Amino acid sequence: DAMVIQNPRYQVTQFGKPVTLSCSQTLNHNVMYWYQQKSSQAPKLLFHYYDKDFNNEADTPDNFQSRRPNTSFCFLDIRSPGLGDAAMYLCATSMEGATFNEQFFGPGTRLTVL
Amino acid sequence: GNSVTQMEGPVTLSEEAFLTINCTYTATGYPSLFWYVQYPGEGLQLLLKATKADDKGSNKGFEATYRKETTSFHLEKGSVQVSDSAVYFCALSDLSGDYKLSFGAGTTVTVRA
Repeated sequence: DAMVIQNPRYQVTQFGKPVTLSCSQTLNHNVMYWYQQKSSQAPKLLFHYYDKDFNNEADTPDNFQSRRPNTSFCFLDIRSPGLGDAAMYLCATSMEGATFNEQFFGPGTRLTVL
Repeated sequence: GNSVTQMEGPVTLSEEAFLTINCTYTATGYPSLFWYVQYPGEGLQLLLKATKADDKGSNKGFEATYRKETTSFHLEKGSVQVSDSAVYFCALSDLSGDYKLSFGAGTTVTVRA
């Protein structure tokens, strides 16, 4: 089945130690998104890619970076995690021009910062 | 700009009860409307969708009708089960805009046996 995969499902890091979360998709969608979600709140969009074009949200901290080496993969880098960065990180994809423009979400990575 | 206002929770129900979660929206263009469900510890799953006025989305016994005159997309299920316990998010995507999703705050639903 076509899907969005996130690894790892659970990640523990130390305060200030860089961490990378990964996302891959077999849907061949050209748009990929990264969200941060805290405590069953609504997901907050951090940034997204239209193909290779990177679009950062205005209020996304500089501590968060992203890479998309090809259509299938996208990475979220947190350069110096703080305690406030502990959250669920969700990756999603969509196909530009699709009728509904629905987004397909991965299972998420739960990040713990010690 | 676009926004979604969703009924606040938490909502606690008994099995076989009727569930309604209200959702209203504001959009500058012609939005598609969605309900996503998030089970504990999981990502978001699309529950149902509608793209134009009077469309009814349905899935797993849940229904929602796109009401343009009241700018609403209320979620309903006639008989809930314990397995329906989850957080429900109403969302819109404005196809004349930037294709981002605008989410409501989410409603936590707990169904007791």
